[in-house]
Amino acid sequence: GAVVSQHPSWVICKSGTSVKIECRSLDFQATTMFWYRQFPKQSLMLMATSNEGSKATYEQGVEKDKFLINHASLTLSTLTVTSAHPEDSSFYICSARVRLAGGPGEQFFGPGTRLTVL
Amino acid sequence: EDKVVQSPLSLVVHEGDTVTLNCSYEVTNFRSLLWYKQEKKAPTFLFMLTSSGIEKKSGRLSSILDKKELFSILNITATQTGDSAVYLCVPSGGSNYKLTFGKGTLLTVNP
Repeated sequence: GAVVSQHPSWVICKSGTSVKIECRSLDFQATTMFWYRQFPKQSLMLMATSNEGSKATYEQGVEKDKFLINHASLTLSTLTVTSAHPEDSSFYICSARVRLAGGPGEQFFGPGTRLTVL
Repeated sequence: EDKVVQSPLSLVVHEGDTVTLNCSYEVTNFRSLLWYKQEKKAPTFLFMLTSSGIEKKSGRLSSILDKKELFSILNITATQTGDSAVYLCVPSGGSNYKLTFGKGTLLTVNP
């Protein structure tokens, strides 16, 4: 099956610093990657949709200047949490949609990145 | 507004039991319905359903979609403790195949 990796798995940082999370599709090309956030015992919340070579589309209530997304290639998207605060502590998960001509394409999730901001 | 309702929210069974998880959905410009299993980390892919009435099977798991009734079920036979997880029914829709998440069904399989 398709593999999506995320790096790092776990990061602890001080308040005010920026953190970059990478999402890679390892064995397939992903036209679209999605970034989610999940708080404990809650469902995944979509933050933004990222298409290769274009600007990300952010969901309502998500600050685009705070959560910078770059989808530079068909296999890599990055999420940078700028000036992180303790309330940004969460589990960040990316998913990648398999590029299939004319088809819906399956979506595969990365293993997630747990961010703790002190 | 797109939405998905899964039932039951939580289920506790004994090993060897068969369970059926239900999912109803409303999604604009529906594309497909995906089932995922989530344990402690990110969801792992189980099935993608695009056509009504065609059962997909993988070992003890099977799933079917009814696009007319906007409904899907996931069956697990001969459950094992390793099946304990949250099962997510996730419709995708729109030009970007955006996923809509509900609360999922928490399945606990006791030995």
